[in-house]
Amino acid sequence: TVMTQSPATLSVSPGERVTLACRASQSVSNRLVWYQQKPGQAPRVLIYGASTRATGIPARFSGSGSGTQFTLTISSLQSEDSAVYYCQHYDNWIIFGQGTRLEIK
Amino acid sequence: EVQLVESGGGLVQPGGSLRLSCAASGFTFRSYWMTWVRQSSEKGLEWVANINQDGSDKNYVDSVKGRFTVSRDNAKNSIYLQMNSLRVDDTAVYYCGRGGEWFDPWGQGTLVTVSS
Repeated sequence: TVMTQSPATLSVSPGERVTLACRASQSVSNRLVWYQQKPGQAPRVLIYGASTRATGIPARFSGSGSGTQFTLTISSLQSEDSAVYYCQHYDNWIIFGQGTRLEIK
Repeated sequence: EVQLVESGGGLVQPGGSLRLSCAASGFTFRSYWMTWVRQSSEKGLEWVANINQDGSDKNYVDSVKGRFTVSRDNAKNSIYLQMNSLRVDDTAVYYCGRGGEWFDPWGQGTLVTVSS
């Protein structure tokens, strides 16, 4: 299963709503996780099970989708959200997407 | 605080070996699957191997089968990745992560460079 994220890069102003997409080449049910990675840091889990926020993750982050189409939404972008965001499925195998780089205008 | 700390990376020639370690603290280590993931600029994030709670179940990505071995020592709260017959395309930052399907948290990573 190939995971394709779009767009590759996104530049958004603080306070705006942001939607990142992740598409699986075949159904992965809801077995999808989103990570955030800032420069020089390891990835940090944001969302697992496609829509469950991990412990300590702000409510502005939300995930949705099932099957082959998934989205990560940031309801009101903050400056500290500048990062690369990765999706990863865990349905019979473990495959990461190539990432979306989110920049703050 | 849950913490994972990797060590053992470095520069090695093609065909050489390295052993990575990951020391865990702040949680009941023996209750969790553990995983190795690597990240390179060429391939991005790539799952490498995982191991179940008692070490009886191990899984590997095809590209490392027969060359890498994952193990754990629950008495020392540690997992290991023995890497043999290293190739240039094994160059990456290697992370350990808690969990077998998705990973929380990750360690800070250790850089492995395979070059002559």
